[in-house]
Amino acid sequence: DIQMTQSPPSLSASLGDKVTITCQASQNINKYIAWYQQKPGKAPRLLIRYTSTLESGTPSRFSGSGSGRDYSFSISNVESEDIASYYCLQYDNLPYTFGAGTKLELK
Amino acid sequence: EVQLVESGGGLVQPGRSLKLSCAASGFTFSNYGMAWVCQAPTKGLEWVASISTGGGNTYYRDSVKGRFTISRDNAKNTLYLQMDSLRSEDTATYYCARHTMGIDYWGQGVMVTVSS
Repeated sequence: DIQMTQSPPSLSASLGDKVTITCQASQNINKYIAWYQQKPGKAPRLLIRYTSTLESGTPSRFSGSGSGRDYSFSISNVESEDIASYYCLQYDNLPYTFGAGTKLELK
Repeated sequence: EVQLVESGGGLVQPGRSLKLSCAASGFTFSNYGMAWVCQAPTKGLEWVASISTGGGNTYYRDSVKGRFTISRDNAKNTLYLQMDSLRSEDTATYYCARHTMGIDYWGQGVMVTVSS
């Protein structure tokens, strides 16, 4: 199984900050990584797939990059509505595996 | 609008069974692989099982192999998860999800609690 190491587990940011989350796969995942936002009591929402492709409705302040084993997800100009947990997902191989998540909080 | 609506969750004793259903609408159900993903209370997301468009191919995480069965009825636009020999560690919210370049749409989730 491919392991996804996501960091940091939590982030504290001020409104307007830029934050970055990373996921490292245990092997090359050929850019097959997606990023999700989850708010308490809600289902995850797909923000980005195939490393950097924004889903319809995803604000342009969200971005993704990476290749091989190393990937990152950024939010520029953090807004209050961005306070949530974020997860990466590798879908290069079954079993699909998620990162452990990053909880973004307001400073 | 894509909608996935789960049902069938609840409280069940260890060793017993439960069957989850997911009613799909707003897309051509038979054209998409489907999956179940779970999330234990205050924990992260875990992929549980997937099924191909026609149902002929199924895949499971190791911890549920031999106990859970994913299936689908394309005529009824419905996905199922038969959960047998349930354990306390299966306690989680179970999400029905659509496969396409990963997982795009998710249901609202249904809670399964395994406890005596």
